[in-house]
Amino acid sequence: KAGVTQTPRYLIKTRGQQVTLSCSPISGHRSVSWYQQTPGQGLQFLFEYFSETQRNKGNFPGRFSGRQFSNSRSEMNVSTLELGDSALYLCASSLGTSGGSYEQYFGPGTRLTVT
Amino acid sequence: GQQVMQIPQYQHVQEGEDFTTYCNSSTTLSNIQWYKQRPGGHPVFLIQLVKSGEVKKQKRLTFQFGEAKKNSSLHITATQTTDVGTYFCAGGLGKFYFGSGTKLNVKP
Repeated sequence: KAGVTQTPRYLIKTRGQQVTLSCSPISGHRSVSWYQQTPGQGLQFLFEYFSETQRNKGNFPGRFSGRQFSNSRSEMNVSTLELGDSALYLCASSLGTSGGSYEQYFGPGTRLTVT
Repeated sequence: GQQVMQIPQYQHVQEGEDFTTYCNSSTTLSNIQWYKQRPGGHPVFLIQLVKSGEVKKQKRLTFQFGEAKKNSSLHITATQTTDVGTYFCAGGLGKFYFGSGTKLNVKP
């Protein structure tokens, strides 16, 4: 079974620009979660999508948004980039069904650098 | 809001020594998961604990979930250099709160 894939792997953007990151979950997984990982703040939950609906949301500003398509692929968008948005963005897929295991399979991440 | 604290932040051990990392939550957790992230890699799922007082073993790794479901621990017996990495606990359901992680370094 193919793992979680994320594109692009590396990205350099300028302050004020916007960026879209993509995540393809493991086949059959309907839940996709996004995380921001920085040395200072660790792994922070951004949001979770399940069956094309945002099911859970973290404490990030509205500049961070996402969506999920009918094939479970997900995209995350960050508008008006700030220097502090430089981070490793990880997506994780899981079955996400009630009563089932919520074990998450992480992708390799997208390393975003904002200059 | 919910917080998951993890200690210690760093642990340096000699190969063959034991290692333990602890996770504490401010609220009761429905379940707890443990992940390992190798340097330069991404978190890899190790285990999920759901029941109060649950203990699970994976070879040299022992995972415990506290009776009150507010704390958990991961113990590694006789560490090896392959155990190097950062170990994270995560609590929640759908919306996961990750601990800050314990970075383990093993000296051969």
